[in-house]
Amino acid sequence: LAKTTQPISMDSYEGQEVNITCSHNNIATNDYITWYQQFPSQGPRFIIQGYKTKVTNEVASLFIPADRKSSTLSLPRVSLSDTAVYYCLVGDTEGGKLIFGQGTELSVKP
Amino acid sequence: GAVVSQHPSRVICKSGTSVKIECRSLDFQATTMFWYRQFPKQSLMLMATSNEGSKATYEQGVEKDKFLINHASLTLSTLTVTSAHPEDSSFYICSAWPTQGAGEKLFFGSGTQLSVL
Repeated sequence: LAKTTQPISMDSYEGQEVNITCSHNNIATNDYITWYQQFPSQGPRFIIQGYKTKVTNEVASLFIPADRKSSTLSLPRVSLSDTAVYYCLVGDTEGGKLIFGQGTELSVKP
Repeated sequence: GAVVSQHPSRVICKSGTSVKIECRSLDFQATTMFWYRQFPKQSLMLMATSNEGSKATYEQGVEKDKFLINHASLTLSTLTVTSAHPEDSSFYICSAWPTQGAGEKLFFGSGTQLSVL
């Protein structure tokens, strides 16, 4: 299973764009990249998933370079409620298990 | 989106008792479910993979006799912490892969905070 590396923590201010980069050097051909958000004492919540290039939904964008060895989660105009831990996971989508890395603790300040 | 219901959300028990945690997929079938545990300020650690109709697969270091997993139907998996001790106090989270449909996403329950006195 591909291992992921993310910054342990990041600070931002309300209204700013936040970019969190994840490294996954040994990603396999069949692996997708998925990002989750977790608030204290809650289960992780799906944010976005992609395979290559760029994916955008109503809450975030995911940028994946051609070599797929890294990915960047972009949160536009963050608010205080975006303060959470963000996890980057890499794995196949055929019911395979996903291993969580350390995650990035994002703190948004007023 | 798909919903995974996990109960109870919080349980306090005495040392030596057993605790059962239920994980249900409310609007989809899940052949495979996963159980994680999470200690404060740490990431989720995978404990076991639960497959409907077969024995669970445990990760290295997880005692299968301590953490009993039953996946008797396509919508329900249970985790029983047997003879719980204070060191078993943790946040337990289940997740499920939809058998059909949105198979690209893993859906998580809201977690169970177990406190063993």
